[in-house]
Amino acid sequence: AQSVSQHNHHVILSEAASLELGCNYSYGGTVNLFWYVQYPGQHLQLLLKYFSGDPLVKGIKGFEAEFIKSKFSFNLRKPSVQWSDTAEYFCAVNDSGANNLFFGTGTRLTVIP
Amino acid sequence: DAGVIQSPRHEVTEMGQEVTLRCKPISGHDYLFWYRQTMMRGLELLIYFNNNVPIDDSGMPEDRFSAKMPNASFSTLKIQPSEPRDSAVYFCASSQQGGGTFGSGTRLTVV
Repeated sequence: AQSVSQHNHHVILSEAASLELGCNYSYGGTVNLFWYVQYPGQHLQLLLKYFSGDPLVKGIKGFEAEFIKSKFSFNLRKPSVQWSDTAEYFCAVNDSGANNLFFGTGTRLTVIP
Repeated sequence: DAGVIQSPRHEVTEMGQEVTLRCKPISGHDYLFWYRQTMMRGLELLIYFNNNVPIDDSGMPEDRFSAKMPNASFSTLKIQPSEPRDSAVYFCASSQQGGGTFGSGTRLTVV
């Protein structure tokens, strides 16, 4: 089974700071990769996904993520965070061809106005 | 599209009672997932279905938990008997091609 590691448990940033959240996965084969966001009290929403092609993926709300196969990583980035980005962010992976979805433990982002 | 619909939104029940959570996936999605989210354990995959057939239930905590998908538009997660440690938010998600669209969740409190 896959394992997904998100090493940052809680990140605190000031508005306009740049963001990078780490995500590493264990499986060496072909994978699909996802980032989800969960705003306080709400359900998970898809931010972006990577299936194939350009390893730099653009998502909603100015987020992007880069797939680096050699590092088994799919880090999430945003050049300038806003207070409204305060949420929990989950990285998820599934094996291509399968459809189970493995989540990391999440990273809580707090943006200070 | 109404998205993935879960009911109830909140459930408070006494220990020992049976609890049934319901999910209506997005039409045309052939995968359905049940997740449990707690502060201590994060987001856990309990079980998922493909074309109404359970594929992997290894995440179901114990025999008190059961899930069914009698047709493509409906699934249930049942806990019988419920215990306080089952208190969590239970999410249903459906998908067609990897990833998943999540429902709003059911917040279960067992007292």
